[in-house]
Amino acid sequence: AQSVSQHNHHVILSEAASLELGCNYSYGGTVNLFWYVQYPGQHLQLLLKYFSGDPLVKGIKGFEAEFIKSKFSFNLRKPSVQWSDTAEYFCAVNKGSQGNLIFGKGTKLSVKP
Amino acid sequence: GAVVSQHPSWVICKSGTSVKIECRSLDFQATTMFWYRQFPKQSLMLMATSNEGSKATYEQGVEKDKFLINHASLTLSTLTVTSAHPEDSSFYICSARDSTGNTGELFFGEGSRLTVL
Repeated sequence: AQSVSQHNHHVILSEAASLELGCNYSYGGTVNLFWYVQYPGQHLQLLLKYFSGDPLVKGIKGFEAEFIKSKFSFNLRKPSVQWSDTAEYFCAVNKGSQGNLIFGKGTKLSVKP
Repeated sequence: GAVVSQHPSWVICKSGTSVKIECRSLDFQATTMFWYRQFPKQSLMLMATSNEGSKATYEQGVEKDKFLINHASLTLSTLTVTSAHPEDSSFYICSARDSTGNTGELFFGEGSRLTVL
């Protein structure tokens, strides 16, 4: 079955630590890739997206993600996290611009001040 | 970015009653909207795809007679939970795609938390 896997359910870091959240998908062919963030009590917001071109994508708030086609991965990174990055992060994939998004189960990030 | 608004943001109802949740795209037109359900500590599960002017497409296992979806205009889709039961308590989220866009990005509403007593 087509799926999106996020490896970590809950990640706990101290401020200034580096972050990498894993995301793998099982679709073949061309895909569009997204990372969404959900801050406590708020709705989902787009962090960054990849459609084509440079596989290293820069997003908002210092986040970036790298698309590695051979590994079917789209890991999210941030060099130095802040307490305000505490949130739940969802990786999502769709095939083509009109398809639905398939979400991973999410990774909860807790940053200790 | 584009704005999607959901109403109500939370609702409490008695078992057996029906609840309607609205999803509006405020500054763009959306021929397609999606309804998701999110359980605690779990991902968003797609319930149905709402298409303007036609019947919704439901995912496997979702009862279409229980979760009525109407997409009567390019800016409004509604989800009605009929004869609600406690097991229907959940966080319901809608999303919409800008009809003029071709990026595949979805814009999400704030979500509606339903509690059935």
